[in-house]
Amino acid sequence: AQSVTQLGSHVSVSEGALVLLRCNYSSSVPPYLFWYVQYPNQGLQLLLKYTSAATLVKGINGFEAEFKKSETSFHLTKPSAHMSDAAEYFCAVSDPGANNLFFGTGTRLTVIP
Amino acid sequence: DGGITQSPKYLFRKEGQNVTLSCEQNLNHDAMYWYRQDPGQGLRLIYYSQIVNDFQKGDIAEGYSVSREKKESFPLTVTSAQKNPTAFYLCASSTAIRGGTEAFFGQGTRLTVV
Repeated sequence: AQSVTQLGSHVSVSEGALVLLRCNYSSSVPPYLFWYVQYPNQGLQLLLKYTSAATLVKGINGFEAEFKKSETSFHLTKPSAHMSDAAEYFCAVSDPGANNLFFGTGTRLTVIP
Repeated sequence: DGGITQSPKYLFRKEGQNVTLSCEQNLNHDAMYWYRQDPGQGLRLIYYSQIVNDFQKGDIAEGYSVSREKKESFPLTVTSAQKNPTAFYLCASSTAIRGGTEAFFGQGTRLTVV
């Protein structure tokens, strides 16, 4: 069965510092992986997705993530945090042919001025 | 603009009452979903639908019901059988239910039982 684990329910970084949000997945087959962002009291917006093409995926707002099969990881990074990056971030996984996205429990990112 | 519209944004319900949350999409998507979000628990799937007049239970369907009479609409009813309905509800849609297809989300409805 598919699942994702997001390490760290809260992450704080200084403005301009590196953002690293961790996601590890469990899947019996090569999965599809997604990162979504949620601002307060809003829906989720897709940041990026991995669908078995390039292992380094670039998304919106300067974010990127690298699929590492050996580590079963799909960590999200951004070189320099902006105040506007403060939000909750969700990692999600689905298997080919699956009929659902399985979400992690989310990581709340705080950016300190 | 194309997108998913959920209404109302905030909803209050008395204990023992049924309440219906609206979800409409104009993206021409076949698949639609309802998720429940609770603090620290991520998103959990309530129901999903692949085509009109067909829907399937998700992980936490007890106390909820849905219908899919039109492609663009997928309303969710929270019944009195749902023991803890206070939560943030998110509707989503996608072009098809298969891996690799991202879901597009509405802005959510926050339901509070008073």
